Amino acid sequence: KAGVTQTPRYLIKTRGQQVTLSCSPISGHRSVSWYQQTPGQGLQFLFEYFSETQRNKGNFPGRFSGRQFSNSRSEMNVSTLELGDSALYLCASSLSPGLASEQYFGPGTRLTVT
Amino acid sequence: GQQLNQSPQSMFIQEGEDVSMNCTSSSIFNTWLWYKQDPGEGPVLLIALYKAGELTSNGRLTAQFGITRKDSFLNISASIPSDVGIYFCAGLYGNKLVFGAGTILRVKS
Repeated sequence: KAGVTQTPRYLIKTRGQQVTLSCSPISGHRSVSWYQQTPGQGLQFLFEYFSETQRNKGNFPGRFSGRQFSNSRSEMNVSTLELGDSALYLCASSLSPGLASEQYFGPGTRLTVT
Repeated sequence: GQQLNQSPQSMFIQEGEDVSMNCTSSSIFNTWLWYKQDPGEGPVLLIALYKAGELTSNGRLTAQFGITRKDSFLNISASIPSDVGIYFCAGLYGNKLVFGAGTILRVKS
């Protein structure tokens, strides 16, 4: 069974631009969560989607948004990029909703904002 | 907000030694999770703990959910070179998931 895939793997953007990251969960998984990982702040939870609905949300500004499609694929969008948005963005999928359920992480998208 | 203090920050140990790391918080958590992250990959869930006092093993790994619900520890017995990586604890309370800063494990072969 294929794992969680994230595209693109690497991305360079400039301040003020917007970016969309994509995540394809493991087949059959309906829950997708997004995380931001930086050396300074560590791993931080962004949001969780299940059945196309946002279930949980972390403490990030409204510039960070996401959505989930009927096939469970998810996208994350960051508008008006800031230098501090440079990070590894990780997506995780699980069979059932809930952040404690066994989540399988993708390799991440490395975003660099210049 | 809720914060987790994970220690040690890094460890450099001899192959075959046992390893211990822990996470503490001033807040109470309902679930404790332990992850391992290898370079260039996403974290992998090692152990999940759901009840205060719970002790769970996964091969050479053993983790415990503290009685006060404010701490958890992870032990690795007889470490091997492939144990290198970053280990994260995470605490879940309601809908909030908080991660520790990680423990970098390096093993001398």
